[in-house]
Amino acid sequence: KAGVTQTPRYLIKTRGQQVTLSCSPISGHRSVSWYQQTPGQGLQFLFEYFSETQRNKGNFPGRFSGRQFSNSRSEMNVSTLELGDSALYLCASSPLTQGGAGELFFGEGSRLTVL
Amino acid sequence: AQTVTQSQPEMSVQEAETVTLSCTYDTSENNYYLFWYKQPPSRQMILVIRQEAYKQQNATENRFSVNFQKAAKSFSLKISDSQLGDTAMYFCAFMKPTGTASKLTFGTGTRLQVTL
Repeated sequence: KAGVTQTPRYLIKTRGQQVTLSCSPISGHRSVSWYQQTPGQGLQFLFEYFSETQRNKGNFPGRFSGRQFSNSRSEMNVSTLELGDSALYLCASSPLTQGGAGELFFGEGSRLTVL
Repeated sequence: AQTVTQSQPEMSVQEAETVTLSCTYDTSENNYYLFWYKQPPSRQMILVIRQEAYKQQNATENRFSVNFQKAAKSFSLKISDSQLGDTAMYFCAFMKPTGTASKLTFGTGTRLQVTL
């Protein structure tokens, strides 16, 4: 079974631009969540989608948005990029059991550099 | 809000030895899940071990085991017979089960170096 696939793996943008990152979850997983990883702030939760609905949102400005498609693939978008948005963006999918708290399977991440 | 604290930024252990990574957390919840995730230099994070708060028995996965002290809100990871492949960042994480939602709160991580 293929793992979580994130594209692109690396990208460089300039301040003010926008970026879209893509995540394909493991087949059958309906939950997709996104995390930002930086040396200073560590791993921070961005948002989580389940069956095309945003279930949870972290404490990030409105410039960060996401969506999920009917095939569970997810995209996140960052508009008006700032230098501080430089980070590794991790996507995770989960099979989620009835009681929640299913294991999260992570992708390798998308490394965004903002110049 | 939940917080997770890992007080050891870096640790080193010799191959075949045992090492313990510390984690404490703060929550007012009674039911929750705790995890240890490993992030090797290649960056893909993988689950090492998981503990459900309502289970008193400590979780074990081969060479990895935890010491879960619910009253003390402590969740340490013990790695026995350390191997070079255990070199990685280790993150302790908390999850409050909320039906179909899943959100992890991570600690700042411990960088473990296994040496010959």
